[in-house]
Amino acid sequence: DAMVIQNPRYQVTQFGKPVTLSCSQTLNHNVMYWYQQKSSQAPKLLFHYYDKDFNNEADTPDNFQSRRPNTSFCFLDIRSPGLGDAAMYLCATSRGSNQPQHFGDGTRLSIL
Amino acid sequence: GQQVMQIPQYQHVQEGEDFTTYCNSSTTLSNIQWYKQRPGGHPVFLIQLVKSGEVKKQKRLTFQFGEAKKNSSLHITATQTTDVGTYFCANLYGNKLVFGAGTILRVKS
Repeated sequence: DAMVIQNPRYQVTQFGKPVTLSCSQTLNHNVMYWYQQKSSQAPKLLFHYYDKDFNNEADTPDNFQSRRPNTSFCFLDIRSPGLGDAAMYLCATSRGSNQPQHFGDGTRLSIL
Repeated sequence: GQQVMQIPQYQHVQEGEDFTTYCNSSTTLSNIQWYKQRPGGHPVFLIQLVKSGEVKKQKRLTFQFGEAKKNSSLHITATQTTDVGTYFCANLYGNKLVFGAGTILRVKS
């Protein structure tokens, strides 16, 4: 009964080859977040959606984009992955922006 | 965003010993959330503290929010091997969470 589902769990792509990570939720939460987490570091917010309103962090590279076609789904697109983009990508949801966040299991991205 | 400093970075304790991690800010925090991330897992929400001087308990875990709302702590009494993981404090700044660096807890049995 996973509530925030990320696919795939592991993704391997080639340097420069576009890749899309997906996240879905069964919680009907308004807010969806994408975080990047590198080894032994804290999650770093990339962007979030409050309903359809997109909020990009100032230091998120242009290489990273996101789509939220409906309440349940959110996608992270990396247009031209570089070696430095290898990381765990975590999706999270919350009912409101000041509410606890529920994280998915993450997608571990490797770049060849 | 509003930075929160978290110490220690790493702690290795004997099973049954107590453990505490601290979160500090130079400015007043609106609230503090605490998350636990097991090795290989994802962050899991533990608690949210909002009020000055607030103390909340969850079994062996005690969470405190300072009177000035500039610091917080998580204390685990009599650690168990199931407590291993990284404990993050996070400050809600505007409409986003800013995580502390985390404290890695290892428990020797």
